[in-house]
Amino acid sequence: EPEVTQTPSHQVTQMGQEVILRCVPISNHLYFYWYRQILGQKVEFLVSFYNNEISEKSEIFDDQFSVERPDGSNFTLKIRSTKLEDSAMYFCASAGITDTQYFGPGTRLTVL
Amino acid sequence: GQQLNQSPQSMFIQEGEDVSMNCTSSSIFNTWLWYKQDPGEGPVLLIALYKAGELTSNGRLTAQFGITRKDSFLNISASIPSDVGIYFCAGQLPSGAGSYQLTFGKGTKLSVIP
Repeated sequence: EPEVTQTPSHQVTQMGQEVILRCVPISNHLYFYWYRQILGQKVEFLVSFYNNEISEKSEIFDDQFSVERPDGSNFTLKIRSTKLEDSAMYFCASAGITDTQYFGPGTRLTVL
Repeated sequence: GQQLNQSPQSMFIQEGEDVSMNCTSSSIFNTWLWYKQDPGEGPVLLIALYKAGELTSNGRLTAQFGITRKDSFLNISASIPSDVGIYFCAGQLPSGAGSYQLTFGKGTKLSVIP
C-alpha cells in the first residue's frame, strides 16, 4: 500500500541553524501539507500546498518557514533559523482527488 | 480559530471492555475524522464521516457525525491490547484551491489492561 515517507526520522540542530525536512508524498497525490506536534500536545496545521504554491498557512508558519516541491517527488519544509520552540514532531501529509489526508511517520526535530 | 474539545483526556480500561470518546466544537465542520497515533508514529486514519448524522463502522470501531455537524463520538468494542494509543478527532474545512485544513482535538490516551 502506498505511503508517505519522511526523512530524517530524527534531526538534532543548534539554535539558529537552518534545517530542511523532507517528505515523499504518495505518488499520484496533488495536495501536500505540513503539520507540527509539540511533545504531548495536539497536532497543528502549518501549511497546505497545491500546484506549486501555498494554498493556506497558519499563524505558526511565519517568515522563518518555507516549503518547496523541488522535483516531482519531494516536498520539503525549511526552517531558516531554528529556535528552541521549534522542537517538535513535524508531519507531512498528502491527499489525492478525495480529500483524505494520509500522514507520514514524522520527523522529530530537536533544537539545542 | 476553531477549537475541538475532546474527552476524556485519558482512559484506563480492562481488555474486553467497550470504550467511548467524543469531540465537540463551537464551529461546524464539513468532515469529521478519527485518527490513531502510536508512539513515535504519524496519525493513521480510522474513520471519516462526511454527512450529518452519519454512522460508520470499521471493524470494532463505530463513529457518528452529529446532526449539528459540531460533534462526533468514537466507540471501540471489545478492546484488545493493540488498541493502546492516542486517538484524535479532527474537523476538516476547505482551505482554498481544493486543499483542506484539519483542526485536531487534544487526543484521548487509551491504556488497555490485559
